[in-house]
Order: sequence, then structure tokens, then C-alpha cells
Amino acid sequence: GAVVSQHPSWVICKSGTSVKIECRSLDFQATTMFWYRQFPKQSLMLMATSNEGSKATYEQGVEKDKFLINHASLTLSTLTVTSAHPEDSSFYICSASRGLEPHYNEQFFGPGTRLTVL
Amino acid sequence: AQTVTQSQPEMSVQEAETVTLSCTYDTSESDYYLFWYKQPPSRQMILVIRQEAYKQQNATENRFSVNFQKAAKSFSLKISDSQLGDAAMYFCDYRKYNNNDMRFGAGTRLTVKP
Repeated sequence: GAVVSQHPSWVICKSGTSVKIECRSLDFQATTMFWYRQFPKQSLMLMATSNEGSKATYEQGVEKDKFLINHASLTLSTLTVTSAHPEDSSFYICSASRGLEPHYNEQFFGPGTRLTVL
Repeated sequence: AQTVTQSQPEMSVQEAETVTLSCTYDTSESDYYLFWYKQPPSRQMILVIRQEAYKQQNATENRFSVNFQKAAKSFSLKISDSQLGDAAMYFCDYRKYNNNDMRFGAGTRLTVKP
């Protein structure tokens, strides 16, 4: 159990276009979802935290108008990269938390989405 | 801000031997959680082991165990009987109960030699 999917797994887009990445919890309800960015050979950087039905909380330095996050249901969160540019090219990973004991804060990670902006 | 330091960018171990990956962190909190994650070439993050700071006993999961030294703010991962499939990036992760103040270390790339 506790499977998280991401779609697409890989996307190439032209500079100036917008790209939407979906994150779904397949077999559980996720009270909280997280979005990370990972550059090659680097660690995960938390971009934002989203709770179902409320606005996402963005980490310092992350442009909320650039990276739009919608957590419309307990099983789906989306990240939209607006007006993408080559510097937005990266590996984006989502995770989801059930918020249940005994492991309240355990996160289940999606397989990631590789975004390439030409 | 909390910081998590993994001082070993790369480590290598012979198959069937034991290796220890180090992690230190900075915090003024007394209640927090520590995790080790494995990221193989597929880039899927996999939970290896977790430790609650309020527990004195070191966590173990089969071949994986931790040495948690709360006073020293140290959280090392020991992999026993290393297998080829253990080759991956390993990340140390600090967070609070409600996932606040979450920080990943820079990672350690583990190579397992046959």
C-alpha cells in the first residue's frame, strides 16, 4: 500500500509554455502533499507544502506565481510550471503523507517527473 | 533553520562487508524525527529507516541499523552484509512531527564492489 504516482514521468516543452505535473495517492488519502525539486547529483529541495482545500505554503525563494500548486482533493495535487524557461529544467518529485499514527509524518514519494525546457 | 550534514559525498564497500554512512544535524529542538532514504538510479525515493528522537533505542531494519547519538546530534546508518542492490544515493532527513522544518542532507553516493 501507500503508492504515489506522478504523471507524466518525462516531459519536454518549449520555452514560454506551461506544464502541469500530477501527483496522485493511489490507495490512501493524503492530508498533505509536498513538492520537491532535484538538480542532477544534488539533494531534494522542498518547494512547497500543500494541504487539501487550502493554499500551498511555499518555501523561501520559490516563486508561487511561477510554480502553481493545486491540491483539489485528498488524492490529487498538481504542480504547474508557468511560462517555463530552460532554467526550470529539473527533476520534480512529489510526496504524500497520510497523517496517521503511528507514523504520522511518514512521506510516500512519487517516481518523479523529468522536465526539459527547450 | 536546521541543517543536515552528510560529510561523505562518496563511499565504497565490498560486497558482503559493512559500511557506515554519517549524518549530523543542527537543532535546538528536543522532539524530532530522523530518516534515511535510498535513491537508486531509478530516482525513486525509498525509506530505509526512521528514528524518533524521544526513543533511546537505535532503530534497526534487517541489515540496516542506525547509531543515534542525540547529545552529539549524530545519526549514522550502518549497512551490514552489503549487497549490489544497496548501491544508491543515501539521504539523511530531519523533520518535526508535522513535517515542519524538513531538511535533507546533500547525500552520500554508495558504490558496492562485487
